[in-house]
Amino acid sequence: DVKVTQSSRYLVKRTGEKVFLECVQDMDHENMFWYRQDPGLGLRLIYFSYDVKMKEKGDIPEGYSVSREKKERFSLILESASTNQTSMYLCASTPGQGDSYEQYFGPGTRLTVT
Amino acid sequence: GQNIDQPTEMTATEGAIVQINCTYQTSGFNGLFWYQQHAGEAPTFLSYNVLDGLEEKGRFSSFLSRSKGYSYLLLKELQMKDSASYLCAVKDSNYQLIWGAGTKLIIKP
Repeated sequence: DVKVTQSSRYLVKRTGEKVFLECVQDMDHENMFWYRQDPGLGLRLIYFSYDVKMKEKGDIPEGYSVSREKKERFSLILESASTNQTSMYLCASTPGQGDSYEQYFGPGTRLTVT
Repeated sequence: GQNIDQPTEMTATEGAIVQINCTYQTSGFNGLFWYQQHAGEAPTFLSYNVLDGLEEKGRFSSFLSRSKGYSYLLLKELQMKDSASYLCAVKDSNYQLIWGAGTKLIIKP
């Protein structure tokens, strides 16, 4: 079974803090993704990566950065947390870029910024 | 712009059949996915359609009509554990997934 893990299930941070969310997958997947999920909205892609040290902006990259130093690990960084970044953050991975590849999701991190 | 539409919420009775519709307008099409997401949990994969027609997988079936930009997920013999949100997602011409907001399905005894 593919396993995607995220460093925290719940996180509370203060405005202006630097926040690190970590994601690790154990199936040697090439592609990794960071989404946020808010009520009434679909999943929105923040950043993705097709290879180590490679990153691409998604639909809403502002206020975020990412790091992929190792194939299995993809980190999301909030440089200076703001209240509008309160959300559920989901990490996902896929084996490659094939059409039918499903995304495997981690359990999510519910971040509250106060 | 790209758009995926699903009903916000549906209610059905245990043992019955329910159909959840999804319409899409995207730049290109490379497949449509359905995911199930229980409250507070991660989405899990249910089905994938890339050709027109019906794909059946146990109690769940998914249908696609590319010419109409339309799909549905059919759930039969509903069980209480099927209470969840169902997410429709389309892979566009850049192989990126565009997600609908999800349909919350409530099952009543």
